[in-house]
Amino acid sequence: DTEVTQTPKHLVMGMTNKKSLKCEQHMGHRAMYWYKQKAKKPPELMFVYSYEKLSINESVPSRFSPECPNSSLLNLHLHALQPEDSALYLCASSQRSGTSRMETQYFGPGTRLLVL
Amino acid sequence: QQQVKQSPQSLIVQKGGISIINCAYENTAFDYFPWYQQFPGKGPALLIAIRPDVSEKKEGRFTISFNKSAKQFSLHIMDSQPGDSATYFCAAPGDDKIIFGKGTRLHILP
Repeated sequence: DTEVTQTPKHLVMGMTNKKSLKCEQHMGHRAMYWYKQKAKKPPELMFVYSYEKLSINESVPSRFSPECPNSSLLNLHLHALQPEDSALYLCASSQRSGTSRMETQYFGPGTRLLVL
Repeated sequence: QQQVKQSPQSLIVQKGGISIINCAYENTAFDYFPWYQQFPGKGPALLIAIRPDVSEKKEGRFTISFNKSAKQFSLHIMDSQPGDSATYFCAAPGDDKIIFGKGTRLHILP
C-alpha cells in the first residue's frame, strides 16, 4: 500500500475559524511533510517531521500549527487564516529521516482550502 | 545554488508526438534527479528518476536524458497520449528538502 490519505478533500473556512487537516499513511514511513501549493506553482515545503519530531519549519506563520500524534498520522491545525492562505495543502511521506537525497516522497491528493 | 530551472512553462503536443521538457541545475552536489507528474486535483507522483552516473534512463514511453557536463536533464515522452496531459515537475533533492522546478503544463491534443 503506497497510499497517503488526506481529509477533508475540500474545506471552506472563515478568518476566525479553527479547523484541522488530517493525513495518514500506513507504509511505515518515518518522515512526513506538509506542503502548500498555489495554482500553477510547485509545492512549497512548510514542515517536516522525522521520527515524530518536528525537524524543519520553513518560517511558516504561527496560524499554521503542525502535530504528529504518532508515526502514521500528521495534522495541520489552522487558526485565524487569511484569504491568501487559500491553496492546496499536500501531505507527503518518505521512508526514513527525510535527509537522504534519494528518498521518494509519496504525496497525498491534498486538501483544497478556501479562506473567506 | 539551490535552483532547478525548468522549461517550457507550457507545451502542446499532438497525439503520437514527442514531448520534451528541459531542466538545468547549478549545484554540482545534486546527485539524484526525479520527475514528478501531477494530474489536476491530485498530488504529485514520482514518474521516473535518474542518478548522474548514467546518461539515460528509460521506462516505457518515458526517458530521462542526462548531460552532466552541461548540468542539464530532460524528460522525453514518446508517442504522447491525451492521458499524459498533466503538470510535470523536475526536481533535485537538496540537503533538507526537494528543490522543484516551476513546472510544465503539458497538453496532448487528441
